[in-house]
Amino acid sequence: QKEVEQDPGPLSVPEGAIVSLNCTYSNSAFQYFMWYRQYSRKGPELLMYTYSSGNKEDGRFTAQVDKSSKYISLFIRDSQPSDSATYLCAMSPKAGGTSYGKLTFGQGTILTVHP
Amino acid sequence: KAGVTQTPRYLIKTRGQQVTLSCSPISGHRSVSWYQQTPGQGLQFLFEYFSETQRNKGNFPGRFSGRQFSNSRSEMNVSTLELGDSALYLCASSEGLPSYEQYFGPGTRLTVT
Repeated sequence: QKEVEQDPGPLSVPEGAIVSLNCTYSNSAFQYFMWYRQYSRKGPELLMYTYSSGNKEDGRFTAQVDKSSKYISLFIRDSQPSDSATYLCAMSPKAGGTSYGKLTFGQGTILTVHP
Repeated sequence: KAGVTQTPRYLIKTRGQQVTLSCSPISGHRSVSWYQQTPGQGLQFLFEYFSETQRNKGNFPGRFSGRQFSNSRSEMNVSTLELGDSALYLCASSEGLPSYEQYFGPGTRLTVT
């Protein structure tokens, strides 16, 4: 079983819809959570970064972390065709030992927003 | 600030050859991590360097190696290439204080024939 599970989709929504992307994880040591967006043939772009449980909002994006359920979410409001990409969740325990510089990623969810 | 740069962007190599990939981190960032991305396995951690020292290494064979220079630039080397090494190789930099926010370059697309 992978440490981080993410539904690969694909997910197709109409423009303007609210998109919900989710990851579950098994390692209770994870404390730092990130969402990346990756366009085709590009490197991942950091969208959101959160520490421990709670919500964080940035424009149309909201990240939620529920450590008790080992579940994280990314919500995209008023989705646009330009949001069409692969979304990757990533996480890390507190730095040290075998965790220095290492993010553990989900498989990524392919999102298409059609006009 | 300029982002993370990686060279070359594309490479085609023959099985058995070796290859060196280069990464220049964001100015002021001292930590560089390398990842391999494939459709089947996703993003997998290779290793991380901070102040010219390898602090962490993933579960890859010894054919994969790297180094970091005093200006924080990093290289990774793959010797005796195998067909399965075909992948997108991504470099990410962070402040490394520690810092968990990693910023990725565009990657090097390696094809082994």
